[in-house]
Amino acid sequence: QQQVKQSPQSLIVQKGGISIINCAYENTAFDYFPWYQQFPGKGPALLIAIRPDVSEKKEGRFTISFNKSAKQFSLHIMDSQPGDSATYFCAATTGRRALTFGSGTRLQVQP
Amino acid sequence: GAGVSQSPRYKVAKRGQDVALRCDPISGHVSLFWYQQALGQGPEFLTYFQNEAQLDKSGLPSDRFFAERPEGSVSTLKIQRTQQEDSAVYLCASSFPGQGYEQYFGPGTRLTVT
Repeated sequence: QQQVKQSPQSLIVQKGGISIINCAYENTAFDYFPWYQQFPGKGPALLIAIRPDVSEKKEGRFTISFNKSAKQFSLHIMDSQPGDSATYFCAATTGRRALTFGSGTRLQVQP
Repeated sequence: GAGVSQSPRYKVAKRGQDVALRCDPISGHVSLFWYQQALGQGPEFLTYFQNEAQLDKSGLPSDRFFAERPEGSVSTLKIQRTQQEDSAVYLCASSFPGQGYEQYFGPGTRLTVT
């Protein structure tokens, strides 16, 4: 059962453009929604996270938008750079337990 | 400071062999998680420890998989009688309750079963 659905599977963006990745969840008990960035051969690294009582969180060029009623959340990467080329995973959890991950989005930022 | 470390980084096993994968969490981190990541997929939860207690092992795919954390620090994931479908990257993550929900991941062990 896939509890977190992520799209698109892959994304190509020009340098300086905006990258947008979307996720939808089913379990209304989820209370923490992190995004992870993973480079080849490395483990996932926490990028930014949000709680459901907040509609938006911004850290530098990265913004999470959260729509509780629609059970959707998205990651926006502003001014995308070639160094941002990686695989991004949304995730969700409840009670500080196991993370449920989306299937990932491979982002390629072209110079 | 030192992050989560895992060893070995790569492991090739013949089908039917037993393997043991090690995780050294960040010092002081109480919670430890194991995940399995198939090629091109997101990580999937295997098991969770709080100190030495294994609180959740619902993600272990079969009784061939066994995890332990006897002293509440280092953890070992053991896979008995490996099968080709066990080929994946095995990720370990740790977290400290006082720092919220953040889980810090190690680089993973890539297991290939031939």
